[in-house]
Amino acid sequence: GESVGLHLPTLSVQEGDNSIINCAYSNSASDYFIWYKQESGKGPQFIIDIRSNMDKRQGQRVTVLLNKTVKHLSLQIAATQPGDSAVYFCAENRDTGFQKLVFGTGTRLLVSP
Amino acid sequence: EAQVTQNPRYLITVTGKKLTVTCSQNMNHEYMSWYRQDPGLGLRQIYYSMNVEVTDKGDVPEGYKVSRKEKRNFPLILESPSPNQTSLYFCASSFLLGGTEAFFGQGTRLTVV
Repeated sequence: GESVGLHLPTLSVQEGDNSIINCAYSNSASDYFIWYKQESGKGPQFIIDIRSNMDKRQGQRVTVLLNKTVKHLSLQIAATQPGDSAVYFCAENRDTGFQKLVFGTGTRLLVSP
Repeated sequence: EAQVTQNPRYLITVTGKKLTVTCSQNMNHEYMSWYRQDPGLGLRQIYYSMNVEVTDKGDVPEGYKVSRKEKRNFPLILESPSPNQTSLYFCASSFLLGGTEAFFGQGTRLTVV
């Protein structure tokens, strides 16, 4: 199995439910945020991103919300499917000049049929 | 297909035996980096490179070396591996400008005995 999951917070949902995964970031100067999905045995895959001049962005079945006041980021997945089961990471870019992504520890999403 | 390719995917080695993990990207990205992933600690940056012949330490560089002789390749070198370097390693690439998605390889699971 994937060692990354051993100490992760876990969110368990039923298929068809909406899921909300939360992330707190640390640097108020961070200007860009990404959510990644990591399935067992694979590398992180991009889901959706948002810049600090926005507070909401929608993709296909996913929405990212950004609250800069409390430095909080959330990922909402609509109509969660078993294929959504994975570890989800948020990442913040801490340098406005060039890439400096810092990753959270992740949340494991378990979707039951 | 845009991708980051790491080799090998799995490696078991003995303490002190030098090894190299290769990473190659086909997206003409300037920025490449190496991360290690450990339970409860998320993804931590080992080294990064902003362009050919330009490399710098990340957050956990001890015991590792890198080189960037060509834009597409960014090998990770462990001159004298130790058991505390047992981990899951990921290579990533992106454009240099902050605020762009990073693409990840499939990972290399390294065990040092």
